Amino acid sequence: QKEVEQNSGPLSVPEGAIASLNCTYSDRGSQSFFWYRQYSGKSPELIMFIYSNGDKEDGRFTAQLNKASQYVSLLIRDSQPSDSATYLCAVISFSGGYNKLIFGAGTRLAVHP
Amino acid sequence: EAQVTQNPRYLITVTGKKLTVTCSQNMNHEYMSWYRQDPGLGLRQIYYSMNVEVTDKGDVPEGYKVSRKEKRNFPLILESPSPNQTSLYFCASRTSGGSEQYFGPGTRLTVT
Repeated sequence: QKEVEQNSGPLSVPEGAIASLNCTYSDRGSQSFFWYRQYSGKSPELIMFIYSNGDKEDGRFTAQLNKASQYVSLLIRDSQPSDSATYLCAVISFSGGYNKLIFGAGTRLAVHP
Repeated sequence: EAQVTQNPRYLITVTGKKLTVTCSQNMNHEYMSWYRQDPGLGLRQIYYSMNVEVTDKGDVPEGYKVSRKEKRNFPLILESPSPNQTSLYFCASRTSGGSEQYFGPGTRLTVT
């Protein structure tokens, strides 16, 4: 069973700080990696995707990928209380004859004023 | 507006009473999936469909059925619901090579 692992948290950071969220995956063949944000009781929404090793920046968000270490991270700069949510890491793995999107259980982030 | 819709959004029912949760997407996506989400367990895939008339089991298919007679619709059927199927359910869709999966708003199901 191909897996995606995340620390469940909660990760508590003060407003204005950098929040660092981490994810490891088991399938070495994975090529596509995603970060979703989910507010309580709401549906997940895609905030970042990354395909290549290195960093990808979008506003206050930076995704980092290290395929050799099978590790993906999400940095949120200048964290705001509105960033408080659960962050889901997802990885595409070829499984059962198709490209399956496998989710981690999520890390809960709490940004306090 | 590109979207995935689900109905109903909230449902309280009793054990054994058959129910259907509808899902529809307007993006002409090939892939559609159903997930359930429970505290501490994350999103678990119930069933998926790669195209019309092509469906397969996900990780937790027991107690569920699906059909894909039209590209836009992918209903989830619980023939005989049980309390352990109380959960938050999401329908999702994406293209076959797509990077972004779109989620519906969710259906909160309670089985008593």
